[in-house]
Amino acid sequence: NAGVTQTPKFQVLKTGQSMTLQCAQDMNHEYMSWYRQDPGMGLRLIHYSVGAGITDQGEVPNGYNVSRSTTEDFPLRLLSAAPSQTSVYFCASSYFGSGEQFFGPGTRLTVL
Amino acid sequence: KQEVTQIPAALSVPEGENLVLNCSFTDSAIYNLQWFRQDPGKGLTSLLLIQSSQREQTSGRLNASLDKSSGRSTLYIAASQPGDSATYLCAVDRDDKIIFGKGTRLHILP
Repeated sequence: NAGVTQTPKFQVLKTGQSMTLQCAQDMNHEYMSWYRQDPGMGLRLIHYSVGAGITDQGEVPNGYNVSRSTTEDFPLRLLSAAPSQTSVYFCASSYFGSGEQFFGPGTRLTVL
Repeated sequence: KQEVTQIPAALSVPEGENLVLNCSFTDSAIYNLQWFRQDPGKGLTSLLLIQSSQREQTSGRLNASLDKSSGRSTLYIAASQPGDSATYLCAVDRDDKIIFGKGTRLHILP
């Protein structure tokens, strides 16, 4: 049981480049979410999903896209990276209905 | 809009002392509240989850309480140890959106 996995661990992009942050979980959790963590700002919710085929916006969705084609995977796409997207990104999952949240190890992204 | 506040932002206490970390939230209509620990450069580790119908949860030296009506939760750490040094975050869940506080950075002095 690997829990929540994220790839890559580190990434450096140039402004305007695109990339996808990968997140997968093997606990059959319905709920998955993406956060970004910035100094002094805490963790902020980007997008979340309550099941395959269903996604919704969190606090800071601009500049990010998500899709949920399977229960296991919830990728986060940056279509045109900006320096303001430099951050640490965390993926989390839980059983639907107020379950305990499990977090991945994070992806540290730098946009130059 | 739900807002979660953690005070103090940083705390240093001598080893062996008992301590309390505070979390307050503005909207009492929550499904649950969860406490996490984060070590520098690492992800979040769940410590305790309190459902909205519960008043407290305990795990080892940790005890978390929840008072929905006043919008407050506390995390009590007994007999603190240097290994407890970390940032502690609380998060509230409502309508599928989980909102975090900014955390309390705890340093236990040997």
